[in-house]
Amino acid sequence: AQKITQTQPGMFVQEKEAVTLDCTYDTSDPSYGLFWYKQPSSGEMIFLIYQGSYDQQNATEGRYSLNFQKARKSANLVISASQLGDSAMYFCAMIPLSGAGSYQLTFGKGTKLSVIP
Amino acid sequence: GAGVSQSPRYKVAKRGQDVALRCDPISGHVSLFWYQQALGQGPEFLTYFQNEAQLDKSGLPSDRFFAERPEGSVSTLKIQRTQQEDSAVYLCASSLDRPPYEQYFGPGTRLTVT
Repeated sequence: AQKITQTQPGMFVQEKEAVTLDCTYDTSDPSYGLFWYKQPSSGEMIFLIYQGSYDQQNATEGRYSLNFQKARKSANLVISASQLGDSAMYFCAMIPLSGAGSYQLTFGKGTKLSVIP
Repeated sequence: GAGVSQSPRYKVAKRGQDVALRCDPISGHVSLFWYQQALGQGPEFLTYFQNEAQLDKSGLPSDRFFAERPEGSVSTLKIQRTQQEDSAVYLCASSLDRPPYEQYFGPGTRLTVT
């Protein structure tokens, strides 16, 4: 079984500042993938960034970077230079890459990010 | 190219009515998923198709829920005799069948059962 924990129900950040959204996970799978999705008020889940458990380097995609600490089982999302359009719900999710269920995404409960002008 | 589309975007049903929710995945995507997202929660897995085969329906909450993908493209999620607890957003996602298995989501159907 897999579990994702996001302990921050809500976060505020000043425009142009950086913010870190926390995510910890629990799994017995030897290899897995970690995702972050953004869900604006329109409802669509937008893929932001992916990290494989076997990847040596932390993933980066533009202003998004994933701070992956395997020993701590954490996969925090860092957003640099926040913009007003970043205000949304953010979900951390994981997927096993082997064995049964190697397609099911397990999501956390999300963090609501509000960017203040 | 076109993303995942879902219809209707909003559905209000009276308790006891049957509803059908449609998902058009990205062309060429082998895998299709349905998720249920309750208010204030993350999405939860309902069922998974690989082409037309339903390989996992372990997340369907009851036998009132039924999903199909007869030709391996469009999928329909049907809920019979809707109950108030079925009120949620139903998300459809599709993906290519290779790592990193990124799933592309549609806008969802918000179902309200009165």
